[in-house]
Amino acid sequence: DTAVSQTPKYLVTQMGNDKSIKCEQNLGHDTMYWYKQDSKKFLKIMFSYNNKELIINETVPNRFSPKSPDKAHLNLHINSLELGDSAVYFCASSQDQGNQPQHFGDGTRLSIL
Amino acid sequence: QKEVEQDPGPLSVPEGAIVSLNCTYSNSAFQYFMWYRQYSRKGPELLMYTYSSGNKEDGRFTAQVDKSSKYISLFIRDSQPSDSATYLCASDTGGFKTIFGAGTRLFVKA
Repeated sequence: DTAVSQTPKYLVTQMGNDKSIKCEQNLGHDTMYWYKQDSKKFLKIMFSYNNKELIINETVPNRFSPKSPDKAHLNLHINSLELGDSAVYFCASSQDQGNQPQHFGDGTRLSIL
Repeated sequence: QKEVEQDPGPLSVPEGAIVSLNCTYSNSAFQYFMWYRQYSRKGPELLMYTYSSGNKEDGRFTAQVDKSSKYISLFIRDSQPSDSATYLCASDTGGFKTIFGAGTRLFVKA
């Protein structure tokens, strides 16, 4: 039973489109995250949510809007996609905050044509 | 300067070798130190987790943190081809923002 699951696994779309990525965790964790991993494998935090409240927003363009309908879900909506948005986006969760290890999904590979 | 620096490699070793992976960090407030392993087309998975300075051992893996020199190390003994992956070090102050290194690609040749 997958602990952190993301959909879709692959997303190929044109510049200017709007797309969403969904994430669900069944670990009962309070905190969820979105990360972006570029082609050089550098993993950078975008957002973190604790108990559905936004805690960290790391200077991400406002075209990216996270939404947490409940503690088990954290979705990411991206408006007006740009070429530079091509990357792998990872969702993660942890029990409480940074002194707890994070569990990652397998990523969504976003390619902008 | 990045808060966590890590040589991206790649690092190639023969099977059975001892592997040493290293990171440095700049933020004195970091208290929690992690190593994650990431296989191709998969998400990172936690390998080792330490608090403050010292050593931690788990099977073939040993994590070391030296807060005085801001140095983080991971040692892999008797390396196996299945250890071939990208290894990411990470640090956290205990808040909601974990900082990752760039990852080191390791290849273990049979």
